[in-house]
Amino acid sequence: DAGVTQSPTHLIKTRGQQVTLRCSPKSGHDTVSWYQQALGQGPQFIFQYYEEEERQRGNFPDRFSGHQFPNYSSELNVNALLLGDSALYLCASSLRSSGRLNTQYFGPGTRLTVL
Amino acid sequence: DQQVKQNSPSLSVQEGRISILNCDYTNSMFDYFLWYKKYPAEGPTFLISISSIKDKNEDGRFTVFLNKSAKHLSLHIVPSQPGDSAVYFCAASAWGGGADGLTFGKGTHLIIQP
Repeated sequence: DAGVTQSPTHLIKTRGQQVTLRCSPKSGHDTVSWYQQALGQGPQFIFQYYEEEERQRGNFPDRFSGHQFPNYSSELNVNALLLGDSALYLCASSLRSSGRLNTQYFGPGTRLTVL
Repeated sequence: DQQVKQNSPSLSVQEGRISILNCDYTNSMFDYFLWYKKYPAEGPTFLISISSIKDKNEDGRFTVFLNKSAKHLSLHIVPSQPGDSAVYFCAASAWGGGADGLTFGKGTHLIIQP
């Protein structure tokens, strides 16, 4: 049973550029959430996608956008990169129809470095 | 304003003893709590969870206790093993409030000494 997968593993960009990160959820899951983890901090919620729509959003600017495809996979796009966007980006999947128990399973992350 | 707090950045415990990791929260809307374990260069791994309708949940060596009146939860690991050395994150969810994103603490680095 495949777990959550993310690509690429590492990425180096320069300020002002745009980046796209990809995520495939765990088999059977229909909901994808994205998190940003800065060094020494816990993951911070960016947004969540379900049925190809953004359902919830954390405190992140509009430069952060996403998409969910019919096969439940998802992309995270970040425009006009800033040095402060350097972080580990984590994707998590869950099964919304499982009800109140919102257990999310994480992928290995994409390490983004902005120079 | 940090809604989930893990006040101990690190904790050192001898192998075989009990490890107790603590977490406090401030948001009364949180009704589901989770613990994750993270090794370097890997994503967080789900360990155990507890709903606000319970005060204790056990899974093998791991037990989570929830004290709603104190807005406090703890993770007990008995007995501690070398492979338990990792960063542990406490997370909370307010499903009932419609906020599905998890709110994490900053983590506690657990070191198991042989």
